[in-house]
Amino acid sequence: EPEVTQTPSHQVTQMGQEVILRCVPISNHLYFYWYRQILGQKVEFLVSFYNNEISEKSEIFDDQFSVERPDGSNFTLKIRSTKLEDSAMYFCASSEESRARTEAFFGQGTRLTVV
Amino acid sequence: KNQVEQSPQSLIILEGKNCTLQCNYTVSPFSNLRWYKQDTGRGPVSLTIMTFSENTKSNGRYTATLDADTKQSSLHITASQLSDSASYICVVSANSGGYQKVTFGIGTKLQVIP
Repeated sequence: EPEVTQTPSHQVTQMGQEVILRCVPISNHLYFYWYRQILGQKVEFLVSFYNNEISEKSEIFDDQFSVERPDGSNFTLKIRSTKLEDSAMYFCASSEESRARTEAFFGQGTRLTVV
Repeated sequence: KNQVEQSPQSLIILEGKNCTLQCNYTVSPFSNLRWYKQDTGRGPVSLTIMTFSENTKSNGRYTATLDADTKQSSLHITASQLSDSASYICVVSANSGGYQKVTFGIGTKLQVIP
């Protein structure tokens, strides 16, 4: 069964460092998303991406964040200068159509720990 | 402000028993409501998706209901199994300027014990 894969599963980084979280969405999907979940809190939407551009972003997704689809298969989230409060589980998701019509399939997540 | 409230926060039930989880929302204009199951440390997995016109949707032992008038949804789990132990998250989408605004509930943590 096709699935969204994320690497690494766990990343530890020092405050102020840049990190890149990687995702391989399901191959025929066109819409891609990043979410985060701080430990013990609810999942929060960060950004959606379609047709090689950001289609929507939340207020959390500020200038320190960026997304990219560098090739036909990968979808990345870059955090430029990490802060302690960026520690969270980051989930990538993809869907065949927009969220209005189809379900989004989530990856297993990358646990980011900023020290 | 769009909000999704879930109850109870946590629940412990015996294997084989049924349970019902609740979701109340103040999201508009309403687009759809989804229930997800999230195992600890894993990504959410979709159980059901319901639009405005749907009252009930089933997926195996999971049955979701939606009352768009009272803005309430429930997820009923029948004949629970140990593997049902997880967080169950209610997610409501609203239409906003052609985009979908998604609001997650904090989830109900279900523990099924033998």
